[in-house]
Amino acid sequence: GQNIDQPTEMTATEGAIVQINCTYQTSGFNGLFWYQQHAGEAPTFLSYNVLDGLEEKGRFSSFLSRSKGYSYLLLKELQMKDSASYLCAVRDQDYQLIWGAGTKLIIKP
Amino acid sequence: GAVVSQHPSRVICKSGTSVKIECRSLDFQATTMFWYRQFPKKSLMLMATSNEGSKATYEQGVEKDKFLINHASLTLSTLTVTSAHPEDSSFYICSARDLARDLYEQYFGPGTRLTVT
Repeated sequence: GQNIDQPTEMTATEGAIVQINCTYQTSGFNGLFWYQQHAGEAPTFLSYNVLDGLEEKGRFSSFLSRSKGYSYLLLKELQMKDSASYLCAVRDQDYQLIWGAGTKLIIKP
Repeated sequence: GAVVSQHPSRVICKSGTSVKIECRSLDFQATTMFWYRQFPKKSLMLMATSNEGSKATYEQGVEKDKFLINHASLTLSTLTVTSAHPEDSSFYICSARDLARDLYEQYFGPGTRLTVT
């Protein structure tokens, strides 16, 4: 079966750095997405990785290792508004998105 | 660009009634739209894939007669929850693909919170 694992919840301090990991086993691979979702809202796109390596976009970076079935989202200089759920999703061989359950990130002052 | 809207954003209805949710792509043509539902503290669950001008493809376990999907134009798809029950209460989210922009990227609507009393 297809499976995406990410931690259920993480806590970090304002101004610090946090890394949210995601491992996957899917039928084929056509890219990995990270989305941010605030409570009661729809997901918003953060990043997309299809090749191995690090993609940096401002305070957020995403890393992918296809051989290990592993990705992480790195958030720097954390702000209170970063408190949200972060969803990892993998596009499989049929170009369907397979979703992780999400990681709830709690930022403390 | 690539804005998707949903209407209504929140709806409360009584058991046994039907509710229609609209999903519109505002600045692009969406040949494919997706309907998801999300329970509290859970991830998105794909319900169906809606292609313009053809019947929707439903995921296993989703009742097509209960969740009616119509994708009549390149900018509008509707989801009708028929004979709603309290267990249908959920957050429904649509997304759309823009073939002219990116073959496989999905753009999400803001979601619709359905509460069935």
